[in-house]
Amino acid sequence: NAGVTQTPKFRILKIGQSMTLQCTQDMNHNYMYWYRQDPGMGLKLIYYSVGAGITDKGEVPNGYNVSRSTTEDFPLRLELAAPSQTSVYFCASREGGGAGEQFFGPGTRLTVL
Amino acid sequence: QKEVEQDPGPLSVPEGAIVSLNCTYSNSAFQYFMWYRQYSRKGPELLMYTYSSGNKEDGRFTAQVDKSSKYISLFIRDSQPSDSATYLCATWGAGGTSYGKLTFGQGTILTVHP
Repeated sequence: NAGVTQTPKFRILKIGQSMTLQCTQDMNHNYMYWYRQDPGMGLKLIYYSVGAGITDKGEVPNGYNVSRSTTEDFPLRLELAAPSQTSVYFCASREGGGAGEQFFGPGTRLTVL
Repeated sequence: QKEVEQDPGPLSVPEGAIVSLNCTYSNSAFQYFMWYRQYSRKGPELLMYTYSSGNKEDGRFTAQVDKSSKYISLFIRDSQPSDSATYLCATWGAGGTSYGKLTFGQGTILTVHP
C-alpha cells in the first residue's frame, strides 16, 4: 500500500493564481482531512470529509474548497492565492468515526508570492 | 483560549536525558489523547494513543493523562539523536463539535544532541 499520497511536493504561486492540491489514499478509508501547518502553530483543520459526497468545514476554511467524488480522492482547491496561504499542507485519512489513527501524507509546500 | 496548548520549545537535550513534553487542554469532551511525531519535512506519524487517565508505556516512551487537571505528558527515557523531531499532542472528542476531528497542540521541537 502506498498509503496517503500528495502531489505536488512543492509549488510556487503568484498572488491571484489558482491551483489544486491532490490527495489520494489506497486504504479505503472513509474519513479524509486537509490541514495546514505554519511554523509554531501546529496543524489547523481546513476541511474534512466523512465519505464520498460529504464534506464539511474545519477551523480555517476561508479561501479553500474541496470535493469528494470518490473514496480515494480528496482534492483541495485554492481559487485566488494569497500570501497568507503560504504554508505546508497535509492530507490525512482515517478508517472510521472512532478515535483511530490518522495517516498523513508527505505534505505539499506552497509559497504564494 | 486555544483548546490544546503546547509549549513550542525548542527543547535541546543531551543524549541519554529524560525528556518531558506537556500539553494542557480545555474541553472536557476530549476523551482520547495522542502523541504524533513529525520528522523534518515529513508528515506526522502516530507515536502513542491513550484513552483514560493514567500511564501507558511503549519502550522508552510513556504517555500520561490526568483528566482531572486536563494535562497530557509524554516522557522519553534514554533519549537518542533519532528522537529529534517535532512532537504534537492531539485530542479527540466523542461528541459535539469535536466529534471525528483531532485537535492538535502547536508542537514541541526537540533536538537530542550526541
